Amino acid sequence: GNSVTQMEGPVTLSEEAFLTINCTYTATGYPSLFWYVQYPGEGLQLLLKATKADDKGSNKGFEATYRKETTSFHLEKGSVQVSDSAVYFCALTPLNQAGTALIFGKGTTLSVSS
Amino acid sequence: EAGVAQSPRYKIIEKRQSVAFWCNPISGHATLYWYQQILGQGPKLLIQFQNNGVVDDSQLPKDRFSAERLKGVDSTLKIQPAKLEDSAVYLCASSLGRGGNTEAFFGQGTRLTVV
Repeated sequence: GNSVTQMEGPVTLSEEAFLTINCTYTATGYPSLFWYVQYPGEGLQLLLKATKADDKGSNKGFEATYRKETTSFHLEKGSVQVSDSAVYFCALTPLNQAGTALIFGKGTTLSVSS
Repeated sequence: EAGVAQSPRYKIIEKRQSVAFWCNPISGHATLYWYQQILGQGPKLLIQFQNNGVVDDSQLPKDRFSAERLKGVDSTLKIQPAKLEDSAVYLCASSLGRGGNTEAFFGQGTRLTVV
């Protein structure tokens, strides 16, 4: 079946540190891949996405590249800020089913201190 | 543009009671989703609507959960009777279409506690 596995948290970093949150997936066909973020007290919001192999999604300094050969979509940011503290969810949409709902990983909590 | 509205924000009920959640999607969005997010886990789809028809309800516990989307706009999710394990955040999301490239917009959720 379709599933997403992301690294366990929490991840604790100092401001300006480099961030990587690993995400791997299992899916039939060629899914679309997403990173969603949930800031404290707010709803889930799309951070970035990639719809085909080798695509790079980017937004707010975050990047992730769709790697079909390793079935991965790791999230990176070169210099994190305190305002990046949030829960990050990797997700996919399988394209070979009637439904197109997102399948999420368990989430990774990021805490950035100044 | 107004986002996805959900109510109530919080609800505490006793087990075996019933509860209902309401969702108003973004205007014009044909697709509506209900997700269940248990503490420490990612959201899990309960049901997906396209307009007022059900696309996927394979993970909806139909012995106690029901959902409807009359007139293809607002939606309600009901639990009757509730169990302790139903304690979770219930998220509503909407999108313009069903394609994998279509962004889903989420409401802030309803946090349900069953005691």
